[in-house]
Amino acid sequence: AQKVTQAQTEISVVEKEDVTLDCVYETRDTTYYLFWYKQPPSGELVFLIRRNSFDEQNEISGRYSWNFQKSTSSFNFTITASQVVDSAVYFCALSEAMDSSYKLIFGSGTRLLVRP
Amino acid sequence: DVKVTQSSRYLVKRTGEKVFLECVQDMDHENMFWYRQDPGLGLRLIYFSYDVKMKEKGDIPEGYSVSREKKERFSLILESASTNQTSMYLCASSPMGQGRDTEAFFGQGTRLTVV
Repeated sequence: AQKVTQAQTEISVVEKEDVTLDCVYETRDTTYYLFWYKQPPSGELVFLIRRNSFDEQNEISGRYSWNFQKSTSSFNFTITASQVVDSAVYFCALSEAMDSSYKLIFGSGTRLLVRP
Repeated sequence: DVKVTQSSRYLVKRTGEKVFLECVQDMDHENMFWYRQDPGLGLRLIYFSYDVKMKEKGDIPEGYSVSREKKERFSLILESASTNQTSMYLCASSPMGQGRDTEAFFGQGTRLTVV
């Protein structure tokens, strides 16, 4: 069965520190998609990135970067020079095909607290 | 700006009540989803719909039903609310036809307490 594991339940850092959120996935599919979402205190999940299984290039977007490694089934997320506004719960997700559509399999989330 | 709107942010209901959670999206998306979020468990899929009047069970459908009479609206129904249904409920939508690589857009969530 498909599975996403986020082993870090909660991380606390001081502002300007770098922080990496881990994500390990399990799938039998050869083609699959991975996602990261951010859930700020307001509650709404905000899409951050999508990566397909054929594209192992790392991606950088401002202070955010993602490291995708098929060999270790990991899709880790790094925030450089963290800020208080980065405080949120972050979810990693894997797309699983169903008969007529698809669904997202979510990890349990990592709560990030950035202290001033 | 894309929008998924859930009718209530907070709801308190009594055990045994029939509860309706409403979700509306303005993006003309075919797919709509209801997830439940609990600490340590992440988000779990309750039901989804890929078209009007179509519905499919997710991973935890027991105690819930859904209704999709119009494309933009997807309702989650708790037939007889119980205390173990106290949770955060999140609605999402996504377009069809772009495959599994399309991200879902989420509403702000409804925190339901059953007393």
